[in-house]
Amino acid sequence: QQQVKQSPQSLIVQKGGISIINCAYENTAFDYFPWYQQFPGKGPALLIAIRPDVSEKKEGRFTISFNKSAKQFSLHIMDSQPGDSATYFCAASRSSGNTGKLIFGQGTTLQVKP
Amino acid sequence: DAGVTQSPTHLIKTRGQQVTLRCSPKSGHDTVSWYQQALGQGPQFIFQYYEEEERQRGNFPDRFSGHQFPNYSSELNVNALLLGDSALYLCASSYRTARETFGSGTRLTVV
Repeated sequence: QQQVKQSPQSLIVQKGGISIINCAYENTAFDYFPWYQQFPGKGPALLIAIRPDVSEKKEGRFTISFNKSAKQFSLHIMDSQPGDSATYFCAASRSSGNTGKLIFGQGTTLQVKP
Repeated sequence: DAGVTQSPTHLIKTRGQQVTLRCSPKSGHDTVSWYQQALGQGPQFIFQYYEEEERQRGNFPDRFSGHQFPNYSSELNVNALLLGDSALYLCASSYRTARETFGSGTRLTVV
């Protein structure tokens, strides 16, 4: 019940295209769903996050879509750029304030071709 | 404003040895969490420290222990190292509604 499943494992997109990464969770007690971006040799950096009371959140070129009934959420990267090439992780936590441990997906390696 | 600082950046240890990793949280953060990230995998939660006490623990054996100091910095200790302990160890700090900021990690190689 603690798993977060992420797909695809890898993704190749042309510059200017849309990158879509999907995640599914099992524990309905999760109430915080962030996406992290990780470059080689670096720690994960928070990109965008959503709580289950909204179905969509947009920040610049990054959008999270959230489907509570299906227990799924996805990251859309619009106008993908070569600089977006990185590994992306979805995560979920059950939290009050910031006390919840993060459960991460397996990661998606994104390559954006020029 | 310094982010999360971890030391050392790389470490090579022999099987059976003990290792200590260190973390200084982001300024203003009082909670420190440790994660293990195996190659090609997502980070896995080890434990979390708040007010110098372990507040939560993931599914890791007792060989993994930690400590938080009054200045909020933290250490992760691993005893009796196994080859399978080779991974990137990440420290994340947070404060109330300010969610986790991760450090760049310590790459541990056990030979």
